[in-house]
Amino acid sequence: KNEVEQSPQNLTAQEGEFITINCSYSVGISALHWLQQHPGGGIVSLFMLSSGKKKHGRLIATINIQEKHSSLHITASHPRDSAVYICAVKEYGNKLVFGAGTILRVKS
Amino acid sequence: NAGVTQTPKFRVLKTGQSMTLLCAQDMNHEYMYWYRQDPGMGLRLIHYSVGEGTTAKGEVPDGYNVSRLKKQNFLLGLESAAPSQTSVYFCASSYNGQGQGYTFGSGTRLTVV
Repeated sequence: KNEVEQSPQNLTAQEGEFITINCSYSVGISALHWLQQHPGGGIVSLFMLSSGKKKHGRLIATINIQEKHSSLHITASHPRDSAVYICAVKEYGNKLVFGAGTILRVKS
Repeated sequence: NAGVTQTPKFRVLKTGQSMTLLCAQDMNHEYMYWYRQDPGMGLRLIHYSVGEGTTAKGEVPDGYNVSRLKKQNFLLGLESAAPSQTSVYFCASSYNGQGQGYTFGSGTRLTVV
């Protein structure tokens, strides 16, 4: 069983839709990261959070430590948001465990 | 631009050949990492370093060696390449062990034939 599970694996949305990507994990963590991997392959860190909620532009990330769950929301989605979104959890110690990613396609 | 630079971007090796991938960062980050990314799987940690002169094994270290002689550089070596090492390799760095300031290189696509 993977320590980090993301859902859905694939998501297609129409431009303007509100999008939610979920991440569940099974171990105790000190932080959770959301990453974005562009079609060209580059990976960008979006958020690092250990509690509550963070917002950056149209992106919102939330985490519920008790439920071991995090969500990434995209408001007013745009085709340029098309990418793979990766959840990664920082276990105690130095290990960072990655989910397999959610492939998002936003159609105009 | 500040960030993480990986070289080369692409490489094709024959089985048994050796090569070194170079990662350089100019953000004064203490932590550096090497990952591999395979289709359908999440990024997997090969080796990492928590500071100059230190290295440690990650999840999939077999067949790889690393060195961190200077704080800004983290080298990944393949002594005898195998087809199973065909993958995309990413280097990353962070300010601390929590992953603060986590920054990735653009990746190296390696094919072993």
